[in-house]
Amino acid sequence: SQTIHQWPATLVQPVGSPLSLECTVEGTSNPNLYWYRQAAGRGLQLLFYSVGIGQISSEVPQNLSASRPQDRQFILSSKKLLLSDSGFYLCAGRMTTDTQYFGPGTRLTVL
Amino acid sequence: ILNVEQSPQSLHVQEGDSTNFTCSFPSSNFYALHWYRWETAKSPEALFVMTLNGDEKKKGRISATLNTKEGYSYLYIKGSQPEDSATYLCALGAYNQGGKLIFGQGTELSVKP
Repeated sequence: SQTIHQWPATLVQPVGSPLSLECTVEGTSNPNLYWYRQAAGRGLQLLFYSVGIGQISSEVPQNLSASRPQDRQFILSSKKLLLSDSGFYLCAGRMTTDTQYFGPGTRLTVL
Repeated sequence: ILNVEQSPQSLHVQEGDSTNFTCSFPSSNFYALHWYRWETAKSPEALFVMTLNGDEKKKGRISATLNTKEGYSYLYIKGSQPEDSATYLCALGAYNQGGKLIFGQGTELSVKP
């Protein structure tokens, strides 16, 4: 069965520092991959999705970027974090059905 | 921009109560409606995917209905238990857009013993 791995689980970063969150998928190939964020008191917002290596679609303009260097690897990055980037970040994968499977998430606090 | 609304935002019930939540979405160009349960400190877990008007799905004490013509889905929990406490998310599947989901804000359910 497919498994979504994310790390780290928690992260505290100063404003202006860079960010790199990694998501890897196990147990399947060629999945569609997604990055979501839940800001405090809000629902899940789709940030990026990817249907294949090097293919990234951005949903909202923001301070973040995403890359997919390998089939089962999806990376969320920022060159300079803002306070508003704080939140809970979830990676998800969609395999052969419409259902998305989520990783354990990363709690990011920007101070 | 597709907008998915859920109500109520939060709900507090006693153990044994039955409850239901609503998910509203645009009825045009409907593709699929998903329900997820998100427990604290865990990942969201898929409950149901529904695609046809009139669909009803059931999983134990939890069931869901779908009305694509009027743009709503109901999630029912019969005889709530403390372990049902979680945030329940509905999401609209977008056709031909990489399988992306548009999530509602969620309904936070708290079941007291």
